Amino acid sequence: DAMVIQNPRYQVTQFGKPVTLSCSQTLNHNVMYWYQQKSSQAPKLLFHYYDKDFNNEADTPDNFQSRRPNTSFCFLDIRSPGLGDAAMYLCATSTSPGLAAYEQYFGPGTRLTVT
Amino acid sequence: TQLLEQSPQFLSIQEGENLTVYCNSSSVFSSLQWYRQEPGEGPVLLVTVVTGGEVKKLKRLTFQFGDARKDSSLHITAAQPGDTGLYLCAGADSGAGSYQLTFGKGTKLSVIP
Repeated sequence: DAMVIQNPRYQVTQFGKPVTLSCSQTLNHNVMYWYQQKSSQAPKLLFHYYDKDFNNEADTPDNFQSRRPNTSFCFLDIRSPGLGDAAMYLCATSTSPGLAAYEQYFGPGTRLTVT
Repeated sequence: TQLLEQSPQFLSIQEGENLTVYCNSSSVFSSLQWYRQEPGEGPVLLVTVVTGGEVKKLKRLTFQFGDARKDSSLHITAAQPGDTGLYLCAGADSGAGSYQLTFGKGTKLSVIP
């Protein structure tokens, strides 16, 4: 089945210790997104890629970086995690707008704990 | 900036009851999606509505897009415990070249057996 996969599902890191979350997709979608979601809140967009074009949200802290080495993979790097960065991180994909009404398909998420 | 107001924020009902969740905006959306998210999982797409006035049914769930494409509703008939979760509406920006969704804040539904 075509899908969005996130690894790991749970990640514990120490305050200030860099961490990388990964996302892969078999949907062959052009667009990949990273969201941060805190308890029972809506997902908050951090950035997205359209193919290799990177688009950062204005309020995304510099502490958050991303890489997309190819169509299938996308990484979220948190350079110096703070306690406030503890959250669920969601990866999502979509096709080019106009082809499927902007539908986004989400992975299962990575729950990040910062100690 | 487009905003989606979702209500109610929390809803706790008994099994078998009906409920409606609302998603309202002053902005026009080119499409609107509804997602359900279970604890510890990512949101799962339930439906996309595109045409003003459109009604879609998914078993006991009925989705409606407003005539002006500014609002939407989700109606659940005879709720089951398996319907428990966070329901999110998300609107697609009608601006050209935009790939983003505007999310409502979500409705946390608990269906009590």
